[in-house]
Amino acid sequence: GAVVSQHPSRVICKSGTSVKIECRSLDFQATTMFWYRQFPKQSLMLMATSNEGSKATYEQGVEKDKFLINHASLTLSTLTVTSAHPEDSSFYICSAPPRGTAKNIQYFGAGTRLSVL
Amino acid sequence: SQQGEEDPQALSIQEGENATMNCSYKTSINNLQWYRQNSGRGLVHLILIRSNEREKHSGRLRVTLDTSKKSSSLLITASRAADTASYFCATDAGNTGKLIFGQGTTLQVKP
Repeated sequence: GAVVSQHPSRVICKSGTSVKIECRSLDFQATTMFWYRQFPKQSLMLMATSNEGSKATYEQGVEKDKFLINHASLTLSTLTVTSAHPEDSSFYICSAPPRGTAKNIQYFGAGTRLSVL
Repeated sequence: SQQGEEDPQALSIQEGENATMNCSYKTSINNLQWYRQNSGRGLVHLILIRSNEREKHSGRLRVTLDTSKKSSSLLITASRAADTASYFCATDAGNTGKLIFGQGTTLQVKP
């Protein structure tokens, strides 16, 4: 089946630093990727839609300058948490529907646990 | 805002028993999906049911959909300890790919 690789799986950083998370589709191309955030014991909340070759679209309440998204190729999207603070500590998950298929059929990465000290 | 609400929030059963989880949603949908998440991991797609379907089976999984009540249920039969995980329903009203997840049910299957 289709595989989405997310890296790193876990990151611990100091407050004020920036952290980059990568989401790669390993065996398919994806013009669209999605970024979700999940707080402990809660559900996934969509943060933004990453579009290859164009700007990402953000959900209401998500700061675009805080969460920078770059989708530079058909197999890679990156999420950069800028000037991270403890409240940004969360589990970040990406997903991608294979190019040419229904967008609601998505493959998920294993997630990145971000801990900001 | 979250569209799907699930109950129960937590369920603990013995191996071999059946587990039923319910999901309700608020707006019209094209389809509804169920996902599984092991602790601290990504999501695994289990099953998709379209709005014109009422029931769907996949192995030990049985999903029902009642669009008049805007609800769905996931039944896992003959549960195993390996079924221990969180289960989420997700809807996508406009085929945009923007999935809206329910709050999830945490299932514990005791050996």
